[in-house]
Amino acid sequence: TQLLEQSPQFLSIQEGENLTVYCNSSSVFSSLQWYRQEPGEGPVLLVTVVTGGEVKKLKRLTFQFGDARKDSSLHITAAQPGDTGLYLCAGGGHNNDMRFGAGTRLTVKP
Amino acid sequence: NAGVTQTPKFQVLKTGQSMTLQCAQDMNHEYMSWYRQDPGMGLRLIHYSVGAGITDQGEVPNGYNVSRSTTEDFPLRLLSAAPSQTSVYFCASSSQGADTEAFFGQGTRLTVV
Repeated sequence: TQLLEQSPQFLSIQEGENLTVYCNSSSVFSSLQWYRQEPGEGPVLLVTVVTGGEVKKLKRLTFQFGDARKDSSLHITAAQPGDTGLYLCAGGGHNNDMRFGAGTRLTVKP
Repeated sequence: NAGVTQTPKFQVLKTGQSMTLQCAQDMNHEYMSWYRQDPGMGLRLIHYSVGAGITDQGEVPNGYNVSRSTTEDFPLRLLSAAPSQTSVYFCASSSQGADTEAFFGQGTRLTVV
């Protein structure tokens, strides 16, 4: 079992729709990070959430850290084709090593 | 600013061959790590290093060796390649580990036949 479980694994929507993807764990994290990865590239950091209950906004993307610091969500409003990609959450493992979830592969159709 | 540089970008190996994947960063980061990415599995940690001279195992270390003789370089060695090691490999660096931004290389696509 992975330290971080992401859902859904795949998501295909039409341009203009809203969506939420989830990152869950039974472990408590000092912070969680969200990355986006495009084909042929390495992941790129979108945001880091640090405080339980924290909400951060990045244009049409809203990130929330759960109150207990075990989970996080990413909500995209009015999705656009440019949002297409693999969204990965990441958190610290037992020895400060960074562990990733399996990711949500998002496709936004024009 | 080069960031994290991985070489080669593509590699085909025969079963049993050995090779080294190179990774270099120019950001003076203490923390470096190697991941493999397989469909549906996300990024799985192979080995990591919190500084020069220090390395540790991640989730899937078997069949791989690493060393960290300098802050800049963190090579990954495949001792005897197996088809199960066919994957995309990413090197990453960060200033302080899990709570800080990780910067990734562009990846090495390895096929073992």
